[in-house]
Amino acid sequence: DVKVTQSSRYLVKRTGEKVFLECVQDMDHENMFWYRQDPGLGLRLIYFSYDVKMKEKGDIPEGYSVSREKKERFSLILESASTNQTSMYLCASSSRDRAQPDTQYFGPGTRLTVL
Amino acid sequence: AQSVTQLDSQVPVFEEAPVELRCNYSSSVSVYLFWYVQYPNQGLQLLLKYLSGSTLVESINGFEAEFNKSQTSFHLRKPSVHISDTAEYFCAVAVGYTDKLIFGTGTRLQVFP
Repeated sequence: DVKVTQSSRYLVKRTGEKVFLECVQDMDHENMFWYRQDPGLGLRLIYFSYDVKMKEKGDIPEGYSVSREKKERFSLILESASTNQTSMYLCASSSRDRAQPDTQYFGPGTRLTVL
Repeated sequence: AQSVTQLDSQVPVFEEAPVELRCNYSSSVSVYLFWYVQYPNQGLQLLLKYLSGSTLVESINGFEAEFNKSQTSFHLRKPSVHISDTAEYFCAVAVGYTDKLIFGTGTRLQVFP
């Protein structure tokens, strides 16, 4: 079974703090994704990584950065957390089949509250 | 550019009734479509997908979806729902020929006894 784990289920931070969200997958997938999920807005892609040290901006990258030093680990960084970054953050991974997009496997999510 | 529209934000239904969750997409290239389900307090998991071949795809728990190119739709159906189907359902379309997906805003299916 594919397993995607996220470091925390719930996180509470103060405005201005630097926040790290960690994601680890155990299926040797090339692709990893960070989304945020907000009611009425669905899932929006923040960043995408298709290989170690490779990254691509998604639809809403402002205020976020990412790091992928190892294939199995993809970190999302909030340099200076703000209240509008309060959200559910979902990590996903998939293999890179050059012919067709593969299934994305999701972690359980981290609910971040910024006060 | 690709986009996905889920017309219903909430669908209440009684147990054993049929249900249809609507999804319309726009895409100018080959179409790859997905339905994901999110049960309460869990991450998303794949329900079914259309990549090529038969336009009718089925899941292991009785859901089916039909790719309709002329109507640009990929509606999800189940002839008889169960309480355990209560969840949020997301339709998604692949972005061009990449591995990225664009998700709809989700439909919350609530099944009542």
